[in-house]
Amino acid sequence: KNEVEQSPQNLTAQEGEFITINCSYSVGISALHWLQQHPGGGIVSLFMLSSGKKKHGRLIATINIQEKHSSLHITASHPRDSAVYICAVRPMEYGNKLVFGAGTILRVKS
Amino acid sequence: NAGVTQTPKFQVLKTGQSMTLQCAQDMNHEYMSWYRQDPGMGLRLIHYSVGAGITDQGEVPNGYNVSRSTTEDFPLRLLSAAPSQTSVYFCASSYTGIKGADTQYFGPGTRLTVL
Repeated sequence: KNEVEQSPQNLTAQEGEFITINCSYSVGISALHWLQQHPGGGIVSLFMLSSGKKKHGRLIATINIQEKHSSLHITASHPRDSAVYICAVRPMEYGNKLVFGAGTILRVKS
Repeated sequence: NAGVTQTPKFQVLKTGQSMTLQCAQDMNHEYMSWYRQDPGMGLRLIHYSVGAGITDQGEVPNGYNVSRSTTEDFPLRLLSAAPSQTSVYFCASSYTGIKGADTQYFGPGTRLTVL
């Protein structure tokens, strides 16, 4: 079983819809990252969380440390949000290393 | 700042050939790492470094070597390429904060095919 599980694996939404991507992990962590990978392949860091909630524009990330769960929300989705969204955790016993989920492929149709 | 740069962007090798993937960053980051990305799998850590002169193995180190002679550069060497090393390779860097690595900055990737 992977230490980091993302759901759904694939998601198709209509422009304007509210989108939620989930990430569950099985180990104690010191931080969780959400990353975005566009079709061209580049990877960009969206958020780094250790507790609570962060917001940047239309993106909101939340984390519940006790339940070992994080969500990434996209409000008023747009076709340019189409990308792969990747969750990664920093396990406490691994020092600086990150463990990555397999990613969620999001397609937003106009 | 150029951020994290990687060369080459694409490479085709024959089985048994060796090559070096280059990675450089101009943000004075202590922490640098190499990942490979394969279809249906998450990024997997190959090797990492917490500073010049210090390197360590990640999850999938076999067949790869690294060195870190300067803060800026972190090359990845394939010793004898195998088809199983066909993948997309990403270099990343970050500061090493009090709690460990901070926000990760990724290079554009190198798409490697081994025939």
